[in-house]
Amino acid sequence: SQTIHQWPATLVQPVGSPLSLECTVEGTSNPNLYWYRQAAGRGLQLLFYSVGIGQISSEVPQNLSASRPQDRQFILSSKKLLLSDSGFYLCAWSVRRDGYTFGSGTRLTVV
Amino acid sequence: AQKITQTQPGMFVQEKEAVTLDCTYDTSDPSYGLFWYKQPSSGEMIFLIYQGSYDQQNATEGRYSLNFQKARKSANLVISASQLGDSAMYFCAMREVYGGSQGNLIFGKGTKLSVKP
Repeated sequence: SQTIHQWPATLVQPVGSPLSLECTVEGTSNPNLYWYRQAAGRGLQLLFYSVGIGQISSEVPQNLSASRPQDRQFILSSKKLLLSDSGFYLCAWSVRRDGYTFGSGTRLTVV
Repeated sequence: AQKITQTQPGMFVQEKEAVTLDCTYDTSDPSYGLFWYKQPSSGEMIFLIYQGSYDQQNATEGRYSLNFQKARKSANLVISASQLGDSAMYFCAMREVYGGSQGNLIFGKGTKLSVKP
């Protein structure tokens, strides 16, 4: 069966510290992968998407970056976190264009 | 311009009654898909229902149905026989095949539904 794993579930990080959030999918090949961010009480904003290994497209310029070192692995990173980076981060994948499956999310609080 | 508009920040419904959550969209792409997701307090995004722009009939999935009015560019979600577990945020989303969003899912700001016992 197809599953998506995202960790950690919650994270509290000081301003200026680095960040690494990982997402992996199982049971599928060559998925499209996505990172979304949801600010408190708001909708989802697409940050990055990837259609293949090493292929990253950025939707919003910011101090975050993404990488896809393996087909089923998508990593969201930052060298120095800002207070404004706080939010709920969701990874998602799709194989067919009409289906998106989301991970359980990471709640990041930058203090 | 907003691609997806959900005009109801919050809605209340009595248990066992039906409720309609509004969604309008903006696209010039002839081919697109419309989605509804449910987000309970745990944060996970749960896929509810999908409607393709060329689908002739309104989509239905159990207690969920999508009232698709293409000319009005609206895709309202109807939940019949509301249950307490339906209390959550609901997001409408659109994917354009050829449009500026490059085939990615664009979300509205959501509607918070509260079901009263």
